[in-house]
Parts: sequence; C-alpha cells; structure tokens
Amino acid sequence: TQLLEQSPQFLSIQEGENLTVYCNSSSVFSSLQWYRQEPGEGPVLLVTVVTGGEVKKLKRLTFQFGDARKDSSLHITAAQPGDTGLYLCAGEGNAGNMLTFGGGTRLMVKP
Amino acid sequence: DAGVIQSPRHEVTEMGQEVTLRCKPISGHDYLFWYRQTMMRGLELLIYFNNNVPIDDSGMPEDRFSAKMPNASFSTLKIQPSEPRDSAVYFCASRYGGNYNEQFFGPGTRLTVL
Repeated sequence: TQLLEQSPQFLSIQEGENLTVYCNSSSVFSSLQWYRQEPGEGPVLLVTVVTGGEVKKLKRLTFQFGDARKDSSLHITAAQPGDTGLYLCAGEGNAGNMLTFGGGTRLMVKP
Repeated sequence: DAGVIQSPRHEVTEMGQEVTLRCKPISGHDYLFWYRQTMMRGLELLIYFNNNVPIDDSGMPEDRFSAKMPNASFSTLKIQPSEPRDSAVYFCASRYGGNYNEQFFGPGTRLTVL
C-alpha cells in the first residue's frame, strides 16, 4: 500500500506570510498532483508534476517534485485570505489510474 | 459541460435504512471513482470503474456497500443497511484515460446516519 503523509495538518497564518506544505512517502510515484478543496466543494486540481526534480509555478504557488519522486512540496509566497482551504497531495502509482491521497493540510490565512 | 453531478447533496437517514447516492460523470470520461471523506480518515478511494466495469473495489468497507455503473453516464453507490459510522461526505470523480490526467470531482453528498 502506498501512503502519503502531509505536514503540517493545520496551519494558521497572517496575510502576507510565506508557508510550505510537505508531502512525503516511502513509495515512488509516477506523478504527483496537488488539489485544493474549499468547504462544501470537491477538490480541484492545481498542478501535476511528473519528472523528478521538477518545479512548477502557478502565480504565488511553487510546486516541487523530489528527485526520487517520493516527495513533494508546495510553497506559497505572500499568502492571501483567498488561499484558505484544504490542500491535498495525491500520488499516481506505476499501475496508473488510481490516486492515493495524503491526509491534507488545512490552511487558514487571516486578513 | 456541467461537470460531475451528484445527488442528493445532503442525505439524513436513520440507522438501518438503505441509502443510494447518484453520480453523473463528465461526458466522454471513461473512468469513474467513488471516494469517502471524513476528518479522521481523509479522502479514501472506495471503488473505481473503467468503461463501466468495476476495476478495483478493495476500498469498499464491507458488504453493506455496493456500486454499479449501468452505463457511461450514471453510477450509484448504495449502502444497505446504513450505520452511523457511514456518516461522511461521498465524492464521485471522473477523468479521461491515459497518464497524469486530472480527476474532476463532483460537489459531494453529505450523508448523516442517525
């Protein structure tokens, strides 16, 4: 069974601060996806990283896939209240098709 | 496209009753997934279908849970009989085949079993 552990589980910060969320596993994934979920809605894809060492930027969000494709991080610069939500990482195994989700990081950005 | 559609959005029932959750995937998607989300266990995959055929149901908790996909545009998840520990938000998601493809989630059904 492939497991993904996210840290921290909860994060409460002030607007303008930077933060990093981590997603770690002992297993290798063919790709890793990051989703954001807002209350009362389903998760929505932010990014997919595929290559070990890959870095992708989405405005103030920076995503990195570890060299060994076992871990990933999400860094947010100058967080805003609109960034508040549940951030989920999800790994796709070599068999494809299925995603294993991490436990999530619940972020609150206070104005 | 309207996205993945789930119904009902909220369901409150009493222990022992049968519950049926419904999902309409995005047209053209050939994979459909059922998930359950709770604070304690996070987002768990229950079962997924490819071209209407169940591929992996190892996440289904027990025999009280069953899922069907009679055609490409409709799937159901049934719990019979329901128990209070089944209370959770149930999500349906769909995607195209191939690698690295995004899963599109529905809004979820919040189930409360009293």
